Amino acid sequence: DVKVTQSSRYLVKRTGEKVFLECVQDMDHENMFWYRQDPGLGLRLIYFSYDVKMKEKGDIPEGYSVSREKKERFSLILESASTNQTSMYLCASRSRDRGFGELFFGEGSRLTVL
Amino acid sequence: AQRVTQPEKLLSVFKGAPVELKCNYSYSGSPELFWYVQYSRQRLQLLLRHISRESIKGFTADLNKGETSFHLKKPFAQEEDSAMYYCALTQGGSEKLVFGKGTKLTVNP
Repeated sequence: DVKVTQSSRYLVKRTGEKVFLECVQDMDHENMFWYRQDPGLGLRLIYFSYDVKMKEKGDIPEGYSVSREKKERFSLILESASTNQTSMYLCASRSRDRGFGELFFGEGSRLTVL
Repeated sequence: AQRVTQPEKLLSVFKGAPVELKCNYSYSGSPELFWYVQYSRQRLQLLLRHISRESIKGFTADLNKGETSFHLKKPFAQEEDSAMYYCALTQGGSEKLVFGKGTKLTVNP
């Protein structure tokens, strides 16, 4: 059974704190993604990575950075959390084989910034 | 730019009634289109993709390039179909998948 695991299901942080969201996949997928999910706005791509140490900005990268030191792990970093970053964060991965394959999602990390 | 529009935020039907979730897209090339679903307290998962031309859980979706639509249909809705549905699009060779804003389907008993 394929698995994308997000380390924290729920986090509460204060404005200005540094926040790390971790994501691990066990499918040897090349591509990994971070989305945020907000009611009425759907899923918006923050960053994605197509290989170790490679990253590209998505549609809303401001205020975020990412790290991919190992193929299986993709971290999302909020350098200085703000209240408008309160959201559900979804990690996903996919294989690059045979066109655009299925995206496999984690269960999500609900972040509240006070 | 690629864009996916789901005009209905909420859709409510009765059990046994037909259901259609609308999806329109704007893209000039040959897109690949998908429907993803998120049931309550479950992770987002792929429901179907247009290139597969398959029916999953009784749902079908036909790509209409003339109308730039990819509506999701089911002839007889079931209560277990209640969920959040997202239409998504990618262009050939792209690493990115663009999602619509989602439609919350409620099937009433």
